[in-house]
Amino acid sequence: AQSVTQLGSHVSVSEGALVLLRCNYSSSVPPYLFWYVQYPNQGLQLLLKYTSAATLVKGINGFEAEFKKSETSFHLTKPSAHMSDAAEYFCAVSGSFGNEKLTFGTGTRLTIIP
Amino acid sequence: DAGVTQSPTHLIKTRGQQVTLRCSPKSGHDTVSWYQQALGQGPQFIFQYYEEEERQRGNFPDRFSGHQFPNYSSELNVNALLLGDSALYLCASSLWNEQYFGPGTRLTVT
Repeated sequence: AQSVTQLGSHVSVSEGALVLLRCNYSSSVPPYLFWYVQYPNQGLQLLLKYTSAATLVKGINGFEAEFKKSETSFHLTKPSAHMSDAAEYFCAVSGSFGNEKLTFGTGTRLTIIP
Repeated sequence: DAGVTQSPTHLIKTRGQQVTLRCSPKSGHDTVSWYQQALGQGPQFIFQYYEEEERQRGNFPDRFSGHQFPNYSSELNVNALLLGDSALYLCASSLWNEQYFGPGTRLTVT
């Protein structure tokens, strides 16, 4: 069984400040981990993924995440927030056998303060 | 290259009715997964189709069924609609371990 916990349903940061969105996972098998972003009334866009290669993963729009097995974490960061980063962010986990179902967290709404 | 497309965009149905949602995968993708996203929640996995067969299924009742066609497009059918079926239904296509999502179909059951 797999699950994801996203700490903080709402996060607010000032424009230009560090963005940190937290994700902890539970998995009985080696996991693949993903971060998706969802803008209002749209589908999900993949930001980045961990698939057992490098533990520090770089994604689109300046985001990156680090897989820490000892902490069962996969937190998402961005050094400097931009107004366009305001959206809903979802962490997801799957097994590592390919094309397995995604199990999502409940999401974190990121607000950027001008 | 068109991404994942879904139709219709919005749909309003009455309790007890049946609905069919459609999905066309990204070019070259052979696997389609369906997710239900209730308001304020993360997406929940419904089922996945590969080679025209249901390969994985989430914890959804048999009222939810699907189909995949030889061109890899897919349909999601929901029978005997309940108010609780109101949600955004997302389709995702994949070739290996990266799922690409469509814009979704917003279903409202009244």
